[in-house]
Amino acid sequence: DADVTQTPRNRITKTGKRIMLECSQTKGHDRMYWYRQDPGLGLRLIYYSFDVKDINKGEISDGYSVSRQAQAKFSLSLESAIPNQTALYFCATSDPGQVGLETQYFGPGTRLLVL
Amino acid sequence: GEDVEQSLFLSVREGDSSVINCTYTDSSSTYLYWYKQEPGAGLQLLTYIFSNMDMKQDQRLTVLLNKKDKHLSLRIADTQTGDSAIYFCAENGPDSWGKLQFGAGTQVVVTP
Repeated sequence: DADVTQTPRNRITKTGKRIMLECSQTKGHDRMYWYRQDPGLGLRLIYYSFDVKDINKGEISDGYSVSRQAQAKFSLSLESAIPNQTALYFCATSDPGQVGLETQYFGPGTRLLVL
Repeated sequence: GEDVEQSLFLSVREGDSSVINCTYTDSSSTYLYWYKQEPGAGLQLLTYIFSNMDMKQDQRLTVLLNKKDKHLSLRIADTQTGDSAIYFCAENGPDSWGKLQFGAGTQVVVTP
């Protein structure tokens, strides 16, 4: 079974709709992240959480919100979807481990199309 | 934020060596990483190098780090069709504790 799962895997929605992408992990990691991937731009960080009570904005948080319901669950919401939010979205987790070494574990991604 | 730059595409013949290059700007980076993304999947850590090293070898993979020029490279020896993927360079430094800065990714296509 996958350690980091994302639902749904694919989603088509219309402009103005609210949608939620969900992420669950069984790795027992405190840190969780949401990224979006666009061709030619790589991965950009949307939000991250270092524990259940900690939520931080990444470089492109406008238009998004998150909820850390438990150590294992981190959800990303688009309050009012717009076409330029069409992208591949990844959830990731990490464990501090060796000081300074940042190994992140990624889910399989959610492909979102906003019409 | 800090920039990590990579070329976007590399074509290589099966059995040849692949070299993927990356430049970064954060001179305080503690570790530098190579992640691999296979089609339809998330990223997976391939290898990493600590900033006080200049080379790391792991089976078919060789990572070279030139701190003076802020240049990182990944060499894959005897490239196989299973090496076709997107390869991302990433860095983190003391000012970005717990976060990674990724490059745009290099798509490697291995041809028979």
